[in-house]
Amino acid sequence: AQKVTQAQTEISVVEKEDVTLDCVYETRDTTYYLFWYKQPPSGELVFLIRRNSFDEQNEISGRYSWNFQKSTSSFNFTITASQVVDSAVYFCALSEGGNAGNMLTFGGGTRLMVKP
Amino acid sequence: DAGVIQSPRHEVTEMGQEVTLRCKPISGHNSLFWYRQTMMRGLELLIYFNNNVPIDDSGMPEDRFSAKMPNASFSTLKIQPSEPRDSAVYFCASSPGRLSYTDTQYFGPGTRLTVL
Repeated sequence: AQKVTQAQTEISVVEKEDVTLDCVYETRDTTYYLFWYKQPPSGELVFLIRRNSFDEQNEISGRYSWNFQKSTSSFNFTITASQVVDSAVYFCALSEGGNAGNMLTFGGGTRLMVKP
Repeated sequence: DAGVIQSPRHEVTEMGQEVTLRCKPISGHNSLFWYRQTMMRGLELLIYFNNNVPIDDSGMPEDRFSAKMPNASFSTLKIQPSEPRDSAVYFCASSPGRLSYTDTQYFGPGTRLTVL
């Protein structure tokens, strides 16, 4: 079974709309970290946020916000008032404690297209 | 500060040729990772090093692939002989710690490899 599932393979919105990218994870560890990365059309992978399993507080950074809910094993990412520059593929990733070192397990990614 | 540096950014070669991809991690980082990204399989971890020592190479697809890290500031991924199915984007990433699951991995810009 996939450890990180991003069920939305592609989302298309019009500029200024809000959009939420879903991420559901699976782990038996009680200690773990969750990450979001952005891959713009230029191809590089850009780190956005890291969240540990003991901190369920929502995080806001400008137009970006993240909602972490352990009860539903979800770590969703919302972009408010989307802009064309937000067009990219977004990856959610899991890093588990125990003996896994810091191997990252990535979801399949969600391609976001923001149209003017 | 400079991020992870990869070269070349693009490589086109013919089947059977040797290909060498290069990576310079962020200065001071102790862990280095090689990933491969394809449409079919997404992001796959190939191998990772800690303090220049290979820790896990179970993701290396076959003996045609090899990776080295002769010092803390340089790593190579070699494919010999290359095959068309090796065509992908290869990413290098580094993280500051000793393979702690809490660490953030920072990615280079990737090398787009095309094997004809």
